[in-house]
Amino acid sequence: SAVISQKPSRDICQRGTSLTIQCQVDSQVTMMFWYRQQPGQSLTLIATANQGSEATYESGFVIDKFPISRPNLTFSTLTVSNMSPEDSSIYLCSVVKSGELFFGEGSRLTVL
Amino acid sequence: AQSVTQLGSHVSVSEGALVLLRCNYSSSVPPYLFWYVQYPNQGLQLLLKYTTGATLVKGINGFEAEFKKSETSFHLTKPSAHMSDAAEYFCAVTHDLGGGATNKLIFGTGTLLAVQP
Repeated sequence: SAVISQKPSRDICQRGTSLTIQCQVDSQVTMMFWYRQQPGQSLTLIATANQGSEATYESGFVIDKFPISRPNLTFSTLTVSNMSPEDSSIYLCSVVKSGELFFGEGSRLTVL
Repeated sequence: AQSVTQLGSHVSVSEGALVLLRCNYSSSVPPYLFWYVQYPNQGLQLLLKYTTGATLVKGINGFEAEFKKSETSFHLTKPSAHMSDAAEYFCAVTHDLGGGATNKLIFGTGTLLAVQP
């Protein structure tokens, strides 16, 4: 299994600011995935992060808005830049381990 | 391209009644199918998954699902609902579990299950 810790678990932010979410895994993994869950909606993949290379973004998501770092095989960060109320969501980190996907508990962001 | 459709955004059952949450998928390659549960203010928890082999899959908390290729379905069932089953349930599909970049899950829009006493 994989244990994933995310920080912060929740935060309230002001419009125009940026927030960085951290994801720590208890074991080394090749790929880490960042998802967004907007209120009342399903999960949408933002990007895939591979250690040592730039993240791969899904359609509708860009690096300037959601820069991602992946400095090693157990850690990643997602920054939500220049936030607006539309960015209010739960952001989840996910990894694959032994053929199963594991999720962190999510970071719930509210943008005022 | 893959997609998942969950029929019914809200389902309400009585305690002790059968739970049936519907999921249909679209995939051009053999799919791997998942059901996740999300309790209020918590992260996603895997209920069960289908990869290969037996098409009837048993998961945690008494849930099971059957992969029906001819119907492109993976409906989730539980014979007798419990109050603690109240949560949101997500069906998801992928076609690669090898740890590569194609491991991304495609999620359905979720079904909120309410259990009435």
